[in-house]
Amino acid sequence: GQNIDQPTEMTATEGAIVQINCTYQTSGFNGLFWYQQHAGEAPTFLSYNVLDGLEEKGRFSSFLSRSKGYSYLLLKELQMKDSASYLCAVRDSNYQLIWGAGTKLIIKP
Amino acid sequence: IAGITQAPTSQILAAGRRMTLRCTQDMRHNAMYWYRQDLGLGLRLIHYSNTAGTTGKGEVPDGYSVSRANTDDFPLTLASAVPSQTSVYFCASSDEDSTDTQYFGPGTRLTVL
Repeated sequence: GQNIDQPTEMTATEGAIVQINCTYQTSGFNGLFWYQQHAGEAPTFLSYNVLDGLEEKGRFSSFLSRSKGYSYLLLKELQMKDSASYLCAVRDSNYQLIWGAGTKLIIKP
Repeated sequence: IAGITQAPTSQILAAGRRMTLRCTQDMRHNAMYWYRQDLGLGLRLIHYSNTAGTTGKGEVPDGYSVSRANTDDFPLTLASAVPSQTSVYFCASSDEDSTDTQYFGPGTRLTVL
């Protein structure tokens, strides 16, 4: 079967750095997405990786290793507004997105 | 309209009733999707449409139907609602650039009693 694993919950301190990991086992790979979802709101697109390596976008970076079936989302200079769930999704060989359950990130002052 | 809209925002429904969730986008995206999101689970695809006039089944299609008469609208119908269909429903659409990123509507919170 297809599987996306992420930690259920993480806690970090305002101003710090946090890394959210995602491991996947899917039938085929056509890209990996990270989305942010604030409580009661829709998921919003953060990043896309299809080749190995690091993609940087402001305070957020995303890394991919296809050989290891692994990605992480790195958030720097954490702000209170970063408190949200972070969803990892992989596009499989049928071009459908397979979603992880999400990681709830709690930021403390 | 800017992006994707969904209606209603929330609904409480008696079991056995018929319900249609509406989704409209103004981005001229060809592909549209319906997901449900339940606590502790990832988003699960119900139905999708790659272009107007075509639809396909996702991971959890039973009890749901869709239609795609035009590019902008993609309604989801529950023919006879059951309590297990209590969930938050998200509609999404995607462009066809190199990433084919999906963009989501605000969601409909549905409770079936």
